[in-house]
Amino acid sequence: GAGVSQTPSNKVTEKGKYVELRCDPISGHTALYWYRQSLGQGPEFLIYFQGTGAADDSGLPNDRFFAVRPEGSVSTLKIQRTERGDSAVYLCASSPEGFGAYEQYFGPGTRLTVT
Amino acid sequence: AQSVSQHNHHVILSEAASLELGCNYSYGGTVNLFWYVQYPGQHLQLLLKYFSGDPLVKGIKGFEAEFIKSKFSFNLRKPSVQWSDTAEYFCAVTGRYGQNFVFGPGTRLSVLP
Repeated sequence: GAGVSQTPSNKVTEKGKYVELRCDPISGHTALYWYRQSLGQGPEFLIYFQGTGAADDSGLPNDRFFAVRPEGSVSTLKIQRTERGDSAVYLCASSPEGFGAYEQYFGPGTRLTVT
Repeated sequence: AQSVSQHNHHVILSEAASLELGCNYSYGGTVNLFWYVQYPGQHLQLLLKYFSGDPLVKGIKGFEAEFIKSKFSFNLRKPSVQWSDTAEYFCAVTGRYGQNFVFGPGTRLSVLP
């Protein structure tokens, strides 16, 4: 079966623009996570969905970042008024159930570059 | 705040050498612990995990890790590395119910043939 997919694989945008990053989780996985990984660092947790609702959004750095998962499957991470510091690889992961006991399956990531 | 530290940024070994990658965490309370691996050009994938019970955990590809609660450590080991183990290794911790998932900065392992 297909794994977690993310589109686009690369995104270059100008400072101040709006971007959307998409994640398609593994079919049937109820939990979905977004992470951000900067060069030389480990993934940094952003937000976690259980079904359609955000169960934990404590990792979102500020109100320019927002994520949705309207039908409990595909999720979109939205970044408004992008800044150069937003440049990173954005990772999505899914798991059969919520945080903790279950392995997270990661996608390939979207590399965002803000110029 | 919760944190994870990994002792080495880059480790270089010859094939058949033994491996130990250090991981220490700072977390108040019961934890779940993970090691993830990212091979060149591939996605992050789970190597092994600890939730409870036997503190010595065995994972895929001959890796194991030992949870030492008194030292807040979860070191990764392999008795004999192969060239194919060249990858980036990440330690991660969550609370008992999966809250506050934190990754360490990663250790890059290079195995020379």
